[in-house]
Amino acid sequence: SQKIEQNSEALNIQEGKTATLTCNYTNYSPAYLQWYRQDPGRGPVFLLLIRENEKEKRKERLKVTFDTTLKQSLFHITASQPADSATYLCALSNSGGYQKVTFGIGTKLQVIP
Amino acid sequence: SQTIHQWPATLVQPVGSPLSLECTVEGTSNPNLYWYRQAAGRGLQLLFYSVGIGQISSEVPQNLSASRPQDRQFILSSKKLLLSDSGFYLCAWLPRGTGRNYEQYFGPGTRLTVT
Repeated sequence: SQKIEQNSEALNIQEGKTATLTCNYTNYSPAYLQWYRQDPGRGPVFLLLIRENEKEKRKERLKVTFDTTLKQSLFHITASQPADSATYLCALSNSGGYQKVTFGIGTKLQVIP
Repeated sequence: SQTIHQWPATLVQPVGSPLSLECTVEGTSNPNLYWYRQAAGRGLQLLFYSVGIGQISSEVPQNLSASRPQDRQFILSSKKLLLSDSGFYLCAWLPRGTGRNYEQYFGPGTRLTVT
């Protein structure tokens, strides 16, 4: 069955450093990979989408890489700030009319001032 | 702009009682609609999705049901709640025909506690 693995342990980093979160998947050939941010008690918020034929995508301080050979995505936040503290979810989807999205469990990031 | 509403925000219900959660989307038409459940320490579990009025597909067999009586309204129901139904219920929509077809937009969620 399809499986998405994210480090379930919290990641603590110092303010100003680059945070790197990992998403690995198995038994899946996604057309799209997405990253969402979720704050406690809130719904996830879409951040970035990268397609299978793209290696890297950037948005402000965020960078996502997508390696379909390794079946892995890395999510980077540069110059991290305490406000970046949240849980980050990796999600995979295929093309097509239904567009089912499968989510990972998420990694909790804590940026320490 | 588009917005998505869910209510109630929190709910405490006894085992065996009925359930009705409502989700509405504004500012778009003919969206795909989704119900997810997020249990503590677990990922988002897709429960139901709908691609149009009256069209419901179930992903996980359970004592829950969903309905879509109007284009932008999605309802999650149960006749008799179980303790295992406790969790954070999220409604999401996905825009179609805009060239941005694959990111989902989530509502604020309903925290359900079954006692």
